[in-house]
Amino acid sequence: EPEVTQTPSHQVTQMGQEVILRCVPISNHLYFYWYRQILGQKVEFLVSFYNNEISEKSEIFDDQFSVERPDGSNFTLKIRSTKLEDSAMYFCASSETVWQETQYFGPGTRLLVL
Amino acid sequence: TQLLEQSPQFLSIQEGENLTVYCNSSSVFSSLQWYRQEPGEGPVLLVTVVTGGEVKKLKRLTFQFGDARKDSSLHITAAQPGDTGLYLCAGGVRGGADGLTFGKGTHLIIQP
Repeated sequence: EPEVTQTPSHQVTQMGQEVILRCVPISNHLYFYWYRQILGQKVEFLVSFYNNEISEKSEIFDDQFSVERPDGSNFTLKIRSTKLEDSAMYFCASSETVWQETQYFGPGTRLLVL
Repeated sequence: TQLLEQSPQFLSIQEGENLTVYCNSSSVFSSLQWYRQEPGEGPVLLVTVVTGGEVKKLKRLTFQFGDARKDSSLHITAAQPGDTGLYLCAGGVRGGADGLTFGKGTHLIIQP
């Protein structure tokens, strides 16, 4: 069964460093998303991406964040200058069409900022 | 701001018992999705309900979407230890551009 994959599974970085989190969405899906989950808290929406541009973004998704689909399979989230409070699980998700609201999630990347 | 409240937050019952967990909002959603999440892993989709009053069954799990599409419930019959986990509901708005709004989840423990 097709699934969303994410790399790396864990990332440790120093405050102020740039990190890139990678995702491979399900191959025939057109909508892509990033969410984060701080330890013990609920899953929060960051950004949605369709047709090579951002569709929607939350208040969390400020100027230090960016997303890109550099090729036909990968979808990346870049955090330019990490802060301690960026430590969280980051989940990528994808859905089949713009009207298909069912989103399938990847296993996540655990980011720890020291 | 759309919010989803899940209750109870924690539930511990004996194997074989039945249980219901709830997901409530003051907002209308065009779809409601239920996920199960294990520690350190991503949410795994259980079901999507899209029509007010819709009922879907997945083996011993029964999901219902409220008539007004503001609430949903998950009923588990004859709970088993393998049902232990965190159950999340998430609401979507038609169009797909907006992200899902998640509840905080119900931590379910089924004791043998």
